[in-house]
Amino acid sequence: KAGVTQTPRYLIKTRGQQVTLSCSPISGHRSVSWYQQTPGQGLQFLFEYFSETQRNKGNFPGRFSGRQFSNSRSEMNVSTLELGDSALYLCASSTGLERYNEQFFGPGTRLTVL
Amino acid sequence: AQSVTQLDSHVSVSEGTPVLLRCNYSSSYSPSLFWYVQHPNKGLQLLLKYTSAATLVKGINGFEAEFKKSETSFHLTKPSAHMSDAAEYFCVVSPGSYIPTFGRGTSLIVHP
Repeated sequence: KAGVTQTPRYLIKTRGQQVTLSCSPISGHRSVSWYQQTPGQGLQFLFEYFSETQRNKGNFPGRFSGRQFSNSRSEMNVSTLELGDSALYLCASSTGLERYNEQFFGPGTRLTVL
Repeated sequence: AQSVTQLDSHVSVSEGTPVLLRCNYSSSYSPSLFWYVQHPNKGLQLLLKYTSAATLVKGINGFEAEFKKSETSFHLTKPSAHMSDAAEYFCVVSPGSYIPTFGRGTSLIVHP
């Protein structure tokens, strides 16, 4: 069974630009969550999508948004990039049918903002 | 509200010696608890989880953890460290919601 895939693996952008990251969950999984990982703040929850609806949201500004398609693939968008947005962005999928259970993580997208 | 504290940011052991990674949590509800491992440039992989069944939980690669409600702890142990165990370890608490809280991580260093 194929794992969670994330594209691209590496991105370099400049301040003010916007970026879109993509995540393909494990087949059959309907929940996709996004996390930001930085040395200073650790792993922080961004949001979770389940069946094309945002079900939970972390404490991030509105510049961070996402969506989920009918095939459960998800995209995350960050507008007006800031230097502090440089991070590893992780996507995780699960069945989403019960309260937090095992999530399967992708390898992440390393975003560098110059 | 829930929180999780990993008591050591770095733990250094010699190959073949025991590993102890400490995690304390707080939760308003009966929580589910997890340990994940992250190798360099990789995503996180689940090591084990506690969901109110047995208090001693066995995971992959010889790791286990014991849930102690009275001490609000969920420490991760392994009898004998291997070089391949060198990685970042995260303790996670979920109080029955969809949003988990991750600890800051413990870097395990294994010396030959």
